[in-house]
Amino acid sequence: DARVTQTPRHKVTEMGQEVTMRCQPILGHNTVFWYRQTMMQGLELLAYFRNRAPLDDSGMPKDRFSAEMPDATLATLKIQPSEPRDSAVYFCASASLSLEQYFGPGTRLTVT
Amino acid sequence: QKEVEQNSGPLSVPEGAIASLNCTYSDRGSQSFFWYRQYSGKSPELIMSIYSNGDKEDGRFTAQLNKASQYVSLLIRDSQPSDSATYLCAASTSGTYKYIFGTGTRLKVLA
Repeated sequence: DARVTQTPRHKVTEMGQEVTMRCQPILGHNTVFWYRQTMMQGLELLAYFRNRAPLDDSGMPKDRFSAEMPDATLATLKIQPSEPRDSAVYFCASASLSLEQYFGPGTRLTVT
Repeated sequence: QKEVEQNSGPLSVPEGAIASLNCTYSDRGSQSFFWYRQYSGKSPELIMSIYSNGDKEDGRFTAQLNKASQYVSLLIRDSQPSDSATYLCAASTSGTYKYIFGTGTRLKVLA
């Protein structure tokens, strides 16, 4: 069945290292979202793309985060350099014209 | 600042009862509303979407929308312990494709 997939599922890294998270949206979905979830802040929108074009990245710390969609089947979120405060669960979601967003399983990031 | 507000709970209901979850939103331009269920350690799962005033039923779930009052609710009939989760309300934002999520209501169904 159609699902959003994310890799890796878990990532432990040291402060200062680069982290890359990947997302494969549901086939045919043209809108892709990146969220971050923490206990303190809840679910925060970092960035989103429509038809591979970035529409809004205002939720993302620009100095260290970058998001790209090199093709319709792959979205990436990169953190460089990573910091302990980046520890969170990062979700990717995709949507079609209906606007209903379907979430991937998430990447649990721990930065030590 | 556009917001979606939910009571954080926990809302505790006995098994078999009706659980009522509520949500208010600030953006009068919002047209689409969604309820997600999130189990601990899992990702949000879409359970209902509603676009028009009134009620929408799907199995044990009923979503209710009142745009005049800027209020959305989710009723869960015959609540089961497996319904224990955090329920997130989301509203689309006018002129964009993105949602604003509430912080969620934690529901506990007691066996």
